[in-house]
Amino acid sequence: DVKVTQSSRYLVKRTGEKVFLECVQDMDHENMFWYRQDPGLGLRLIYFSYDVKMKEKGDIPEGYSVSREKKERFSLILESASTNQTSMYLCATPGGVGGYTFGSGTRLTVV
Amino acid sequence: GIQVEQSPPDLILQEGANSTLRCNFSDSVNNLQWFHQNPWGQLINLFYIPSGTKQNGRLSATTVATERYSLLYISSSQTTDSGVYFCAVESNFGNEKLTFGTGTRLTIIP
Repeated sequence: DVKVTQSSRYLVKRTGEKVFLECVQDMDHENMFWYRQDPGLGLRLIYFSYDVKMKEKGDIPEGYSVSREKKERFSLILESASTNQTSMYLCATPGGVGGYTFGSGTRLTVV
Repeated sequence: GIQVEQSPPDLILQEGANSTLRCNFSDSVNNLQWFHQNPWGQLINLFYIPSGTKQNGRLSATTVATERYSLLYISSSQTTDSGVYFCAVESNFGNEKLTFGTGTRLTIIP
């Protein structure tokens, strides 16, 4: 089974802090994705990467950046956290039987 | 970009009831998936179904690609079926990006 591991389940950060969310997959898949989930809005794509050091903006990239130095690891960076970035963050890869596999999510609260 | 609409937004049922969840999408798709998000936030892949019908136990799904909709059927509901069900599609432009609907929140009452 494909595993997608997100480093933190819950995070509380202060406004203005730089925040790193880490995601590791064991499927050796080229593509990895970061989504955020907010009530009533479903999941929205922030950034994706289709290879090492390759990235593309998704639908809501403002305030975020990403890093993919190794194939298995895809990091989401909040350059200066703000309260409107309080959300659930989910990492995913298309690897696995029958489609996408998601990590268990990181609930980020910015105070 | 492609639009995905799910209905109903909320559904409350007694244990043992059957339910049908609908997903409409605005353009041709390469891929359609149904997910269940459990109360702890984990998204579980239920079906990969760009067209046709699939069944897995009490759950089944049908996608009619030519008419741009998909249906998820849950029979003999159990309390463990509670959670949010998402439909997500990958457009024909590829890159494997999924666009999600806003979900149907299903609550099964004992």
